[in-house]
Amino acid sequence: NAGVMQNPRHLVRRRGQEARLRCSPMKGHSHVYWYRQLPEEGLKFMVYLQKENIIDESGMPKERFSAEFPKEGPSILRIQQVVRGDSAAYFCASSPIVENTEAFFGQGTRLTVV
Amino acid sequence: AQRVTQPEKLLSVFKGAPVELKCNYSYSGSPELFWYVQYSRQRLQLLLRHISRESIKGFTADLNKGETSFHLKKPFAQEEDSAMYYCALTTGRRALTFGSGTRLQVQP
Repeated sequence: NAGVMQNPRHLVRRRGQEARLRCSPMKGHSHVYWYRQLPEEGLKFMVYLQKENIIDESGMPKERFSAEFPKEGPSILRIQQVVRGDSAAYFCASSPIVENTEAFFGQGTRLTVV
Repeated sequence: AQRVTQPEKLLSVFKGAPVELKCNYSYSGSPELFWYVQYSRQRLQLLLRHISRESIKGFTADLNKGETSFHLKKPFAQEEDSAMYYCALTTGRRALTFGSGTRLQVQP
């Protein structure tokens, strides 16, 4: 099991472009979480998804950000019209369906907006 | 809303010295508390959780509900313990609330 895979590891975008971050959960995991880490800060929850469903998006900015976890393929975090303040490390975690189990993290995608 | 506070950004100790990384939380209910660790160039990984009451790599953490604390302790630090440590809690909705992290430097 390769673990949670995120790509790309580093992404550079100009202001106004779109950023697409991908997360492939561990095999057998049906729950995906996205977190954002700004410089000198801890990880902040953004969104929690199960296959084809958004369960909790209370941490997601209301505009420009969206997430999906389709029946087939990776989970995608999409940021439209990026601004400098979107520069951060974005981490994905996955867990199996059973409650109170450990979430496993990917290595993150570092987004830089220039 | 829940909150996790790690007051120290950096903790530097010598090898063999005791270590205590502080974590305080605020939540009116009964949260589940965790410590995560991130070694250099590696992904975030779970170190321990309060419900399992384990000792992992010599680290322990006791949940003190009266003081709303979950400090991480190790009696004798090793150089390989140098890493970023994050305290986190969940309230049953599964997503984690993290503190801002403490960098532990263990000097030889």
